[in-house]
Amino acid sequence: DTAVSQTPKYLVTQMGNDKSIKCEQNLGHDTMYWYKQDSKKFLKIMFSYNNKELIINETVPNRFSPKSPDKAHLNLHINSLELGDSAVYFCASSQDRASGKDTQYFGPGTRLTVL
Amino acid sequence: KQEVTQIPAALSVPEGENLVLNCSFTDSAIYNLQWFRQDPGKGLTSLLLIQSSQREQTSGRLNASLDKSSGRSTLYIAASQPGDSATYLCAVSGGAQKLVFGQGTRLTINP
Repeated sequence: DTAVSQTPKYLVTQMGNDKSIKCEQNLGHDTMYWYKQDSKKFLKIMFSYNNKELIINETVPNRFSPKSPDKAHLNLHINSLELGDSAVYFCASSQDRASGKDTQYFGPGTRLTVL
Repeated sequence: KQEVTQIPAALSVPEGENLVLNCSFTDSAIYNLQWFRQDPGKGLTSLLLIQSSQREQTSGRLNASLDKSSGRSTLYIAASQPGDSATYLCAVSGGAQKLVFGQGTRLTINP
């Protein structure tokens, strides 16, 4: 009965490869997010989708492309991986702000290591 | 640009003590503020959310306060236990529905 799940949990790959991380939430939320936590443990927003529409794109390189096939899923595809992409990527979801219940719930994270 | 600062960066206290974690933010035009805990190698667990119109929220031994005008929030933990050891993160949400995080306070409760 996991609320926000991500796959895979660990991802080790070579520089230049293309990889995807998947996220699913079963909370019925309208909004989903991708955050990046760097080696210094600093968390920063990357993208946000509301009802399958992109609403936040925080100057992330266009090698990163989110895709939301439906409200419950938000996947992250990364092209031409670079060493600096190594980080932990967290997916999160929340109700729309208009509901007044916009607590964000986070997935367990995907630790990406680029060699 | 919103910036969130948490002080101290690390804190170690004996079991049973009450303690306060601090969070400050530069832009007072926030929508809400959220406190999380993160255990090593794990995701974030939401502890408390305070809407901008509220002054405090309580959950069990945790109490979070918000002073929006001064750009400050505190997380009070009563009767600390070893299981409270974790990194505590403060995050604010402004005009866009995104969270801006502080660097966190790494808390260690010594038995």
